Amino acid sequence: EVQLVESGGGLVQPGGSLRLSCEASGFAFSSFEMNWVRQAPGRGLEWISYISKSGSIIYYADSVKGRFIISRDNANNSLYLQMNSLRAEDTAVYYCVDGAVTWGQGTLVTVSS
Amino acid sequence: DIQMTQSPSSLSASVGDRVTITCQASQDISNYLNWYQQKPGKAPKLLINDASNLETGVPSRFSGSASGTDFTFTISSLQPEDIATYYCQQYANLPQTFGGGTKVEIK
Repeated sequence: EVQLVESGGGLVQPGGSLRLSCEASGFAFSSFEMNWVRQAPGRGLEWISYISKSGSIIYYADSVKGRFIISRDNANNSLYLQMNSLRAEDTAVYYCVDGAVTWGQGTLVTVSS
Repeated sequence: DIQMTQSPSSLSASVGDRVTITCQASQDISNYLNWYQQKPGKAPKLLINDASNLETGVPSRFSGSASGTDFTFTISSLQPEDIATYYCQQYANLPQTFGGGTKVEIK
């Protein structure tokens, strides 16, 4: 079964850091470009980061550029999102996504004091 | 960035009705457009890629079309299980951008 499973979400204070992980199974992870997409409570979808198959090409949305770092470990079929200098407006469910078809279940990040 | 203007933001229709949602891109995206369905508490599900290609297993009452920078998503006969929020997404350029969503309810 093709699956993406996120972990690492939780409650963090403003200015804090969190690292999200996404474990892939059931498909050739290294053959897929990957993305992180988030959804604030009651709001729409926001793409935030892209990484190429090899990890050599990376893009970020302006809203997270300079604060978030995407990475991947193809040997361990894993995608990561290091989130630093977190703000209240980063509160959202974070999804890892392949091109478009396969989405994880999401992990909730809450930034609050 | 490419802006995706989706309308309406919500609609209410009866079972069996034809439902149409539109997305307009702020610039040419060819047919690099997806349509997703999202039910409460769930991840989005891809229904249509490349503006009009139905994903495997998606009922044929769902369809998509394109005309220039205008894209249309149609449910030919609304069913109770179609209650959800629908999003368009362009993937012609990074950043990928989503429309604001259309919440579909049963009248």
